[in-house]
Amino acid sequence: DAGVTQSPTHLIKTRGQQVTLRCSPKSGHDTVSWYQQALGQGPQFIFQYYEEEERQRGNFPDRFSGHQFPNYSSELNVNALLLGDSALYLCASSLSLPLGYEQYFGPGTRLTVT
Amino acid sequence: QKEVEQNSGPLSVPEGAIASLNCTYSDRGSQSFFWYRQYSGKSPELIMSIYSNGDKEDGRFTAQLNKASQYVSLLIRDSQPSDSATYLCAVTSNAGKSTFGDGTTLTVKP
Repeated sequence: DAGVTQSPTHLIKTRGQQVTLRCSPKSGHDTVSWYQQALGQGPQFIFQYYEEEERQRGNFPDRFSGHQFPNYSSELNVNALLLGDSALYLCASSLSLPLGYEQYFGPGTRLTVT
Repeated sequence: QKEVEQNSGPLSVPEGAIASLNCTYSDRGSQSFFWYRQYSGKSPELIMSIYSNGDKEDGRFTAQLNKASQYVSLLIRDSQPSDSATYLCAVTSNAGKSTFGDGTTLTVKP
């Protein structure tokens, strides 16, 4: 049973550039959530996708956008990168129902913005 | 005030002791509560979920929930050096949004 996978593992970008991160959910899961985790802090909720639509969004600017595909995989796009966007980006998958069910995380993508 | 607060660490216990981790939350509408373990440089790993008041035991781990007090705790019995990690408390609202605390770092000394 494949768990949550993410790509790439590491990424280095320059300020102002754009980045796309990818996530494949755990087999059987249909909901994908994205989180940003800065060093020494807990994961911060960016948004959640279900049925190819953004269902919930955290306090992140519009520079952060996403997409979910028919096979439930998802992408996170960040435009106009800032130094402060450097963090571990985590994808978590879950079942859509019941709401608030268990989430399983992928290994994360470490983004460094220089 | 943060939405989810965890007791500040680091927490250090000797091998074989009980480690107690605490978490409070502000949203009374929260319905699902989770504990994750995160090793340094790794992603969070789900270790316990609890949905109703009371205790839930799984091996050496016991989660306790008191919705009236807006309090969740995790007890680790017979702590092992391999339990050394950061423990994250997560609270999910009835709309499905999850909020995490900043974690408590636990060190178990042999």
